[in-house]
Amino acid sequence: DAGVIQSPRHEVTEMGQEVTLRCKPISGHDYLFWYRQTMMRGLELLIYFNNNVPIDDSGMPEDRFSAKMPNASFSTLKIQPSEPRDSAVYFCASSLQGFEAGELFFGEGSRLTVL
Amino acid sequence: AQSVTQLDSQVPVFEEAPVELRCNYSSSVSVYLFWYVQYPNQGLQLLLKYLSGSTLVKGINGFEAEFNKSQTSFHLRKPSVHISDTAEYFCAVSGGSYIPTFGRGTSLIVHP
Repeated sequence: DAGVIQSPRHEVTEMGQEVTLRCKPISGHDYLFWYRQTMMRGLELLIYFNNNVPIDDSGMPEDRFSAKMPNASFSTLKIQPSEPRDSAVYFCASSLQGFEAGELFFGEGSRLTVL
Repeated sequence: AQSVTQLDSQVPVFEEAPVELRCNYSSSVSVYLFWYVQYPNQGLQLLLKYLSGSTLVKGINGFEAEFNKSQTSFHLRKPSVHISDTAEYFCAVSGGSYIPTFGRGTSLIVHP
């Protein structure tokens, strides 16, 4: 398996622009997670899905952020409008058993820079 | 609720020396404990996990960790480190249907 695939790997954009990050989880995994990593806050869970349904989005910082999972093989994280404080590395992860006892498989991340 | 504290933000060590990265947790339910490693410009990958059974857990790349329930700790150890072990290490806890909680990470820096 190719692992969790994220795109783009790097994104540089200007404040106010819309940003869309994409994720393809490992085939057969039924949990998908979006994390954000910054020096200040460390690794934060933004939202997670089970069988394409959002379960907990309490980590989404504000209404500018939205995430969708239209099918089992694709998810997006959208920021509109983007702000400089959104600059971070965004990770997607998937899991077969869920978070409680299973291993999370992470993608290589999307590094976002908002100028 | 649950939380994870990684006591050291940075651990410098010389090559071939032993190393211990400390992790303490708090949880009101039974826990599952994990250590992940993140190499530069990569995602996290699992080093080892404790679910139940033996409190000494062996992982990849010669790492091991010991679950100590009385001290609520899950410290990571390696008897002899290599330059290639230079990375960020994250301790994580889950259990009782709580979403996984990650520590802030410990940067292991191995000097030649």
